[in-house]
Amino acid sequence: SQQGEEDPQALSIQEGENATMNCSYKTSINNLQWYRQNSGRGLVHLILIRSNEREKHSGRLRVTLDTSKKSSSLLITASRAADTASYFCASRMDSNYQLIWGAGTKLIIKP
Amino acid sequence: GAGVSQTPSNKVTEKGKYVELRCDPISGHTALYWYRQSLGQGPEFLIYFQGTGAADDSGLPNDRFFAVRPEGSVSTLKIQRTERGDSAVYLCASSVSGTGRYETQYFGPGTRLLVL
Repeated sequence: SQQGEEDPQALSIQEGENATMNCSYKTSINNLQWYRQNSGRGLVHLILIRSNEREKHSGRLRVTLDTSKKSSSLLITASRAADTASYFCASRMDSNYQLIWGAGTKLIIKP
Repeated sequence: GAGVSQTPSNKVTEKGKYVELRCDPISGHTALYWYRQSLGQGPEFLIYFQGTGAADDSGLPNDRFFAVRPEGSVSTLKIQRTERGDSAVYLCASSVSGTGRYETQYFGPGTRLLVL
């Protein structure tokens, strides 16, 4: 399989807490993207971090990238019940357009 | 349209039957992608179109799967002689050109296919 790896597979936290998800990939990349998926249907793009960036913020989201460890993390601060979803990382190699996907982290926010 | 649309939302068929899944990308997007997603997994690449032509069909699992995009807009994924293992959510995405390094892919809601 070409898929990257994500951990944890599932995460359950209380509303208001921070949620951290991690992603590892295998090859040299051009960028890494995080997507959100509700109820096993369409994916929504959240944030893209380029290979020459180390950290990026968007609202309550913070993404880090460590190319030496081939890993990324997604932090959601002050979680809300509406953040309950599955989160996927997708890495794009320098050599082509394909996105290589992780297996996802299922996040449950308890009200 | 405003976003990527896919029809039908759900499709139940019997083993051995033929199915067609349709994707209507965002207007003006040159690149179109088909993915397959099994329960608890990330999307698995199937095929990528640049305009009317399939630029990369290396992800199609076998010759029962075929996709077309005759006018460079709507695409149809065709599955012949369906098998139970084909059951999955089939996702379609489009992007502006496919060649931009930092392009976002916009996904449709998917078609959930169940082969009995």
